[in-house]
Amino acid sequence: NAGVMQNPRHLVRRRGQEARLRCSPMKGHSHVYWYRQLPEEGLKFMVYLQKENIIDESGMPKERFSAEFPKEGPSILRIQQVVRGDSAAYFCASSSLPGVNTEAFFGQGTRLTVV
Amino acid sequence: TQLLEQSPQFLSIQEGENLTVYCNSSSVFSSLQWYRQEPGEGPVLLVTVVTGGEVKKLKRLTFQFGDARKDSSLHITAAQPGDTGLYLCAGANGEGSNYKLTFGKGTLLTVNP
Repeated sequence: NAGVMQNPRHLVRRRGQEARLRCSPMKGHSHVYWYRQLPEEGLKFMVYLQKENIIDESGMPKERFSAEFPKEGPSILRIQQVVRGDSAAYFCASSSLPGVNTEAFFGQGTRLTVV
Repeated sequence: TQLLEQSPQFLSIQEGENLTVYCNSSSVFSSLQWYRQEPGEGPVLLVTVVTGGEVKKLKRLTFQFGDARKDSSLHITAAQPGDTGLYLCAGANGEGSNYKLTFGKGTLLTVNP
């Protein structure tokens, strides 16, 4: 029973390029959450998605960032025209139901470095 | 904005010692979770506490949720090197967005053999 799979584990991008981070939730999970962990900071909520729907994107920057969770395939967090401040670890979590009384399982994260 | 303050930020102890780490807020949370994160990995859930005053035990780990549901503590008895890691607390406000966790910055624990 594979856990939450994120790839790539490490991603290096030059300023101005695009970064695509992928997250495959655990089998049977239809709720996906993205968090960002900046150096010396706690994890910050970015976006909550269900299949084909964005439920809450209140934590995601309005510009350059977008997320999707298509009917088929992984959830994608896309960052356009990356800047050095985007360097962080991006974690995806999934759950079978929404809410904290249902455990959300985290992936190993994608560490994005913008040079 | 809800904030969770964790203390101490760093803790280095010898194997066999006891320790307590704290998670405090001025806000009320409907529930609070504790995670452990190892370098290069994602957080792993240890426990969820929901009721004010609740105490949960997980082997040598004891978790307590404050009566007012604003703070929590994690006590480890007879720490072992395998307990080394970053301990994170995270709260949910339960007001229609209980999926959205507010995380503290964590306590980095090192247990020396």
